[in-house]
Amino acid sequence: KNQVEQSPQSLIILEGKNCTLQCNYTVSPFSNLRWYKQDTGRGPVSLTIMTFSENTKSNGRYTATLDADTKQSSLHITASQLSDSASYICVVSPTGGSYIPTFGRGTSLIVHP
Amino acid sequence: DTGVSQNPRHKITKRGQNVTFRCDPISEHNRLYWYRQTLGQGPEFLTYFQNEAQLEKSRLLSDRFSAERPKGSFSTLEIQRTEQGDSAMYLCASSLADHTDTQYFGPGTRLTVL
Repeated sequence: KNQVEQSPQSLIILEGKNCTLQCNYTVSPFSNLRWYKQDTGRGPVSLTIMTFSENTKSNGRYTATLDADTKQSSLHITASQLSDSASYICVVSPTGGSYIPTFGRGTSLIVHP
Repeated sequence: DTGVSQNPRHKITKRGQNVTFRCDPISEHNRLYWYRQTLGQGPEFLTYFQNEAQLEKSRLLSDRFSAERPKGSFSTLEIQRTEQGDSAMYLCASSLADHTDTQYFGPGTRLTVL
């Protein structure tokens, strides 16, 4: 069964600090891995997308890494801002016939002033 | 606004009633997905369309749920004989069938079944 596990479940940091969120997956073979940001009560918004051959992808203060051998990804947020408070969801899409992506439960990040 | 739109944004209904939600995808997108999300969980796949064809449907989806995309543009999701366990956020997403297939999500419809 395809699974995506994220850690930590929740995280509280002070404004200006850096943090790293983790994602482990079992989806294989996979087409791509995405990180989404979801504000409370809103739909998810794509932050980064990586194919199996990519190791890192940046989007402003967000940097995602991927190790396809160990099936792990991380999302690093630099110089956090209050607006970074949200849920961050890791999503892995398979290849070969099914287009159904597998979503993690997300990491809830709270940035305090 | 050329993003994905969903209506209504909120729906409160009594148990046993039928409800219907609408999703208007980004106009050039040929794929459309429906998800359900409960508090503290990631989105759970319900069904997906490529153009007007419903290609995949979750095995977890009760037969009380039905979705249509009659002209390959907007889609509707109907829940018949609603139950309290149906209370959730219902998300719609659309994508272009290219090499990234990035899904763009709508704001969701929040359903509360009393």
